[in-house]
Amino acid sequence: DTAVSQTPKYLVTQMGNDKSIKCEQNLGHDTMYWYKQDSKKFLKIMFSYNNKELIINETVPNRFSPKSPDKAHLNLHINSLELGDSAVYFCASSQGSLGGYTFGSGTRLTVV
Amino acid sequence: GQNIDQPTEMTATEGAIVQINCTYQTSGFNGLFWYQQHAGEAPTFLSYNVLDGLEEKGRFSSFLSRSKGYSYLLLKELQMKDSASYLCAVREPGGGSYIPTFGRGTSLIVHP
Repeated sequence: DTAVSQTPKYLVTQMGNDKSIKCEQNLGHDTMYWYKQDSKKFLKIMFSYNNKELIINETVPNRFSPKSPDKAHLNLHINSLELGDSAVYFCASSQGSLGGYTFGSGTRLTVV
Repeated sequence: GQNIDQPTEMTATEGAIVQINCTYQTSGFNGLFWYQQHAGEAPTFLSYNVLDGLEEKGRFSSFLSRSKGYSYLLLKELQMKDSASYLCAVREPGGGSYIPTFGRGTSLIVHP
C-alpha cells in the first residue's frame, strides 16, 4: 500500500514536448506539494495545494501547471519542455500545513 | 534554501558517532525536520523539533536551539546503511501558509 504514488517513475522526452506527471496519496491528507530536486540534490518547493486550492506558487515558469481534481490527487503538467527542466520531481503530502510530510518515490525527468 | 546551511559531505566509520549540523535564518519558524534520502529514493522522515532541546529516537537524536538558529542530527552506532543524504528543513510562513524549506543536504559516507 503505497502512501504517495507518482507515475511515471522515469520520463525521457524531447525538447518542446508537453508531458504530465501524476500523483495520488491514500493517507487522507488535505495538503499536497510538488518539489523539484536538481542535479545538486537541492529540493525546492514549486506548488502547494490545500483541499484542491492553490496556496503556494513559488517562482516557477508558467509552463508548469498543477491540477488537483480532488484532495487525493495533484498532477503536474509541463508545456514546451526545456533542457533545464531535467530533474527529479517529488510529490508530497501532509495533513494541513503543520503536519509531517510524506514523499512519493519521485519522477526522474530527462529532456533531450 | 540559501538561508539553511549544512556541510556538503561528511565521512565516518562504522560503529562510530557522527553529528550533522544545520544553521538557519528564516523570517519565521514553525518547526525543524530532518529527513534521510538514499540515492535514487524519496526523502523519509527522521525527526521533528519545534521546542528547544533534544529529541531521541533509537540511534538517532535531534537537537534544536531556536535562539541560535541551530540544530544537529546525531547518529550513533553507525551502520553502512546509514550512508545517505541528510536533509535539514525549516517550516516557515509563506504564501499565507507554512512551507518547509530544505537545505542542500549533507552526504554522509560510512566506511568499514
